[in-house]
Amino acid sequence: GESVGLHLPTLSVQEGDNSIINCAYSNSASDYFIWYKQESGKGPQFIIDIRSNMDKRQGQRVTVLLNKTVKHLSLQIAATQPGDSAVYFCAENMNRDDKIIFGKGTRLHILP
Amino acid sequence: DAGVIQSPRHEVTEMGQEVTLRCKPISGHDYLFWYRQTMMRGLELLIYFNNNVPIDDSGMPEDRFSAKMPNASFSTLKIQPSEPRDSAVYFCASSLGTSGTDTQYFGPGTRLTVL
Repeated sequence: GESVGLHLPTLSVQEGDNSIINCAYSNSASDYFIWYKQESGKGPQFIIDIRSNMDKRQGQRVTVLLNKTVKHLSLQIAATQPGDSAVYFCAENMNRDDKIIFGKGTRLHILP
Repeated sequence: DAGVIQSPRHEVTEMGQEVTLRCKPISGHDYLFWYRQTMMRGLELLIYFNNNVPIDDSGMPEDRFSAKMPNASFSTLKIQPSEPRDSAVYFCASSLGTSGTDTQYFGPGTRLTVL
């Protein structure tokens, strides 16, 4: 697979359990946040996004929570499956800028 | 749509050689981004284009790196001469509009190894 980081924080979760991946973002002026999933050998793939005027957004099996007070973002995955094993990145965008800034990533490992 | 297409998928070269990475964005997308991913630095933005025009190349590490987008369906990232520290996975991504409103779609990446 691709080298996405041997030194990434790793979260191990039993299959079927819920998982929570956390991210601290850096810029208080950021107003748009995105979670990406990167499987081995592939490019990052969009999962879900949230704007700063919201504190929660739900998708299919995923929920993103935003706490602007402490500049914290989390991704909750319900009933984890083997296919959820990947590296998850949070990314932030400021004032509808053209670009986004990626965090370092968290590796999610699903235990059988 | 086939998504973002990158070639080659793997490239092994020797130090000092020229390397050219290629990208075909999703048709109709106005933005194209080049990223580099390494263990040490994670995912870094190198340069991006809007309507084939380079907008921000502040992430390009050195003059050895250059990128072009001659038309809306093709972009290249060139490294000349290449060095071992350039070894990384290089991703191309495209989006319909600005990243503040539209999703970036990534290609599968090119794994570059410079010996």
